[in-house]
Amino acid sequence: EVHLVESGGDLVQPGRSLRLSCTASGFNFDDYGMHWVRQAPGQGLEWVATVSWNSNLIAYADSVLGRFIISRDNTKNSLHLQMNSLRAEDTAFYYCTKDITSSSSGTMDYWGQGTLVSVSS
Amino acid sequence: DIQLTQSPSSLSASLGDRVTITCRASQSISGYLNWYQQKPGKAPKLLIYTASSLQSGVSSRFGGRGSGTDFTLTITSLQPEDFATYYCQHTYTTPPAFGGGTKVDIK
Repeated sequence: EVHLVESGGDLVQPGRSLRLSCTASGFNFDDYGMHWVRQAPGQGLEWVATVSWNSNLIAYADSVLGRFIISRDNTKNSLHLQMNSLRAEDTAFYYCTKDITSSSSGTMDYWGQGTLVSVSS
Repeated sequence: DIQLTQSPSSLSASLGDRVTITCRASQSISGYLNWYQQKPGKAPKLLIYTASSLQSGVSSRFGGRGSGTDFTLTITSLQPEDFATYYCQHTYTTPPAFGGGTKVDIK
């Protein structure tokens, strides 16, 4: 059974950094693209970033480009999101998601339970 | 960037009703359209991918149609577990954007 477990969410001050992690199990992690998707409380879904199975293809939403870094460690079945220069508008639940294919199609067939990032002074 | 507009933004329906949600893209996205269901306090769940393919394990009450710019998600005979918010998402280009959501609640 596929499991995605996020960690690292916290309350942080504007301008500070935070690193989210996602531990995957139940599938061949290094065969699939992975994504981060966020959802501000009571709001809709926003794609944040994508990394291909071999990290050769990485993409970011304009809203986080230059501030966030997505990475993966296939030896540890883990996905990360380094979040720098955090802003109040980054406050959201952050979901780790698995792509349905190895080619990072954007279709997300499994989601973690989410971790909450709150940015406030 | 391609925008997705869902309608209605919310609807009230009764058990057993047939419900249709529409998603319109700002330009043609061929068949690169997915539908997700999200219940309160839970992560979204993939229902339909590439416009009409039913994800494994999802009830056949859910059906998707469309291509180009206009897509629909239909739920036949609404069940208690179907009351949720539904999102469309395109994967035609990067960014793979989501629609604003349609909340289905009990009449």
